[in-house]
Amino acid sequence: GEDVEQSLFLSVREGDSSVINCTYTDSSSTYLYWYKQEPGAGLQLLTYIFSNMDMKQDQRLTVLLNKKDKHLSLRIADTQTGDSAIYFCAEWGSQGNLIFGKGTKLSVKP
Amino acid sequence: DAGVIQSPRHEVTEMGQEVTLRCKPISGHNSLFWYRQTMMRGLELLIYFNNNVPIDDSGMPEDRFSAKMPNASFSTLKIQPSEPRDSAVYFCASSLGPANEKLFFGSGTQLSVL
Repeated sequence: GEDVEQSLFLSVREGDSSVINCTYTDSSSTYLYWYKQEPGAGLQLLTYIFSNMDMKQDQRLTVLLNKKDKHLSLRIADTQTGDSAIYFCAEWGSQGNLIFGKGTKLSVKP
Repeated sequence: DAGVIQSPRHEVTEMGQEVTLRCKPISGHNSLFWYRQTMMRGLELLIYFNNNVPIDDSGMPEDRFSAKMPNASFSTLKIQPSEPRDSAVYFCASSLGPANEKLFFGSGTQLSVL
């Protein structure tokens, strides 16, 4: 079935780059998304990439998409303590619903 | 716009009681989704509506769960009777359409069933 896989934890030092990886199974999704969830809050759309693109840059965020390997990554440059959160990768499934990974908890140490 | 509004923010109830969670989607959005989040299972889609019509309810755990969307600006998720294993954070989300659109989430309802 359709699935989105992510590693569960990532720990980095403040100022370093963070790279969060995701693999997905359904290649029909027009867009792929990264959502951010801060403690006690709902998910917020962080960024997204059109499936025909390889890369998208938005300030400190870089999204890389490898369609052949069905691999999506989110790079956060100069990671700050405020970036500590859970990051979810998501794609639209064939049934018309957004499928999320289990989320990667990013911890930023000062 | 105020975003997706959910109520209550927190609900504590005893096993066997009826629980009703409420959601007001963003005005103009045609699709509404109910998700449940737990540590063990992550985010699970329970049900989603398009133009107030339930499209896929295959994620609803069992008959104790029901969801309605009587109009474009309101939806409820009901659990009757509630059980301790229903304890989770329940999120409502809305989008302009059913696919390839951005999903906007509410702040969630933290449900604890004792």
